[in-house]
Amino acid sequence: DAKTTQPPSMDCAEGRAANLPCNHSTISGNEYVYWYRQIHSQGPQYIIHGLKNNETNEMASLIITEDRKSSTLILPHATLRDTAVYYCIVRVSNQGGKLIFGQGTELSVKP
Amino acid sequence: DAGITQSPRHKVTETGTPVTLRCHQTENHRYMYWYRQDPGHGLRLIHYSYGVKDTDKGEVSDGYSVSRSKTEDFLLTLESATSSQTSVYFCAISETTLVDTQYFGPGTRLTVL
Repeated sequence: DAKTTQPPSMDCAEGRAANLPCNHSTISGNEYVYWYRQIHSQGPQYIIHGLKNNETNEMASLIITEDRKSSTLILPHATLRDTAVYYCIVRVSNQGGKLIFGQGTELSVKP
Repeated sequence: DAGITQSPRHKVTETGTPVTLRCHQTENHRYMYWYRQDPGHGLRLIHYSYGVKDTDKGEVSDGYSVSRSKTEDFLLTLESATSSQTSVYFCAISETTLVDTQYFGPGTRLTVL
């Protein structure tokens, strides 16, 4: 199963863009990259996902490198409510499409 | 938010007692999952279901069983709870296995004394 590597923590100033990197060098061709976040002990919240192309939605943008070995989640204008643990996940095709969670990046947005 | 509820939300029990956690969905999604979250391990898949009466094991299934008699309900049972099963348990649902998003419930915090 593909695994991901993320920095354990990052800081970001309120109103600035938060760029969260992720390495997934062993990803297979049909495996998607998903990003979730978890605030305190709540259930993980879906943010965005992609296969090859860059993606954007109302929450964030996802930039995937051409070789698919890494990606970056961009929160364009971070707010204090974006403080959370962000997980970069490769969704495998076996075991019901399970999500393999790593340790994530703890993002602190500061005023 | 996806219509997923978990019950109970908190439970304290003693070693050796049986425990059943319930996940209920109103989305009519085919796939349902049980994960556990522990410090230092992230979330790990316990069991999943791909339809009524169709279930399979995840990576940490020992000591757990599941049942799904209706599309909307997925039960996780600890036949004889142990202290190592103290954890936060999350249910998730998905329409398909790869492309469609997995949505998570609010979690159940279980403490086994």
